[in-house]
Amino acid sequence: GAGVSQSPSNKVTEKGKDVELRCDPISGHTALYWYRQSLGQGLEFLIYFQGNSAPDKSGLPSDRFSAERTGGSVSTLTIQRTQQEDSAVYLCASSLEGRSYEQYFGPGTRLTVT
Amino acid sequence: KQEVTQIPAALSVPEGENLVLNCSFTDSAIYNLQWFRQDPGKGLTSLLLIQSSQREQTSGRLNASLDKSSGRSTLYIAASQPGDSATYLCAVSGGSGNTGKLIFGQGTTLQVKP
Repeated sequence: GAGVSQSPSNKVTEKGKDVELRCDPISGHTALYWYRQSLGQGLEFLIYFQGNSAPDKSGLPSDRFSAERTGGSVSTLTIQRTQQEDSAVYLCASSLEGRSYEQYFGPGTRLTVT
Repeated sequence: KQEVTQIPAALSVPEGENLVLNCSFTDSAIYNLQWFRQDPGKGLTSLLLIQSSQREQTSGRLNASLDKSSGRSTLYIAASQPGDSATYLCAVSGGSGNTGKLIFGQGTTLQVKP
């Protein structure tokens, strides 16, 4: 079956612009995670959605970052007023449910802020 | 705060060798531990998932063990091949108040020489 998909695969934007990154999880997976991978910080958690529960936003680095998940499926990560330190690969993962279940990752979106 | 450490950071071996990658974590209250493989410029591929109640999991030439009480896991790769060259990441889910987000180690970059 189809895996996790993300779009775009690459995004180059100017400092100060807003960007939207999209994630399509595996069908039937109720849990969705966003992570960020950068050279200096490794892989770090950003936000977690599970069904209709309030999202866990504890990993978002600043209030310029937000995410939503519509209809329990597709998720969009929005970064407002991008900064150069936002340059990274943004990875999305989904799992059948949260906690104890295996997470499956998408190919990522490489964001470059110039 | 959960911290995950992987040793060594890099490893180079000749083809055919058996090898062990190490992962340690500071908080033993985990739900599970996952080993991933990441090829350059690609997303993460899940290799093995070990639930907190399990001691080991096997898939083909890969065997992962978990000693939760001591906060350690090992990934054993038998009869290594050049195609095994990649970065291997260990991640744990759980710990006090955790919603299921993964905490990653910095990875071990493996090179298998023909």
